[in-house]
Amino acid sequence: ETGVTQTPRHLVMGMTNKKSLKCEQHLGHNAMYWYKQSAKKPLELMFVYSLEERVENNSVPSRFSPECPNSSHLFLHLHTLQPEDSALYLCASSQDALELSEQYFGPGTRLTVT
Amino acid sequence: AQSVTQLDSQVPVFEEAPVELRCNYSSSVSVYLFWYVQYPNQGLQLLLKYLSGSTLVKGINGFEAEFNKSQTSFHLRKPSVHISDTAEYFCAVSPPFSGGYNKLIFGAGTRLAVHP
Repeated sequence: ETGVTQTPRHLVMGMTNKKSLKCEQHLGHNAMYWYKQSAKKPLELMFVYSLEERVENNSVPSRFSPECPNSSHLFLHLHTLQPEDSALYLCASSQDALELSEQYFGPGTRLTVT
Repeated sequence: AQSVTQLDSQVPVFEEAPVELRCNYSSSVSVYLFWYVQYPNQGLQLLLKYLSGSTLVKGINGFEAEFNKSQTSFHLRKPSVHISDTAEYFCAVSPPFSGGYNKLIFGAGTRLAVHP
């Protein structure tokens, strides 16, 4: 595998379920990001991790819980979601979290909350 | 605060025709500017970026963009498009010294549809 991978690619879950999204980067980067891409809306930055430490939580509801066990892996744990949380969730990584460091994106997980 | 406006949600064009995708930004400070492309079922890929220097920036796949500070615009152009250019295009800004980390603010995207 190369670049940034995300699993699963598609996920359907009920509002009472608990699920997790996984992201893995094979680029040797030290920073990882979660974005939410909703239809007809700009990408929204959710979380930023630098060297496994969270450096940004962009006012995201607590039903989304990120985890970064090491610099190659990033998870997004989901519980008691709402239908409006249905979206494409994109993971990205960059060499570091400093400005000008190019972000590389994964293909995303398409989440549908029923 | 910074914001990005992509003026067209969809742009249909015939193959081999020129295309311009428009992007305007709002910021009280200097910003860095980017264009990303998202092909179907894929993540975003960087097309080009403006950091400083020449206002005409060349990117991959024959695309270029021109930074116009007075009009706060960063329009993307290609002189002759191919079917394979069909994708969603995103303009983004990054304010310098934004809390020390890499913060991208995206526009809503423009869907480019190239027809034969």
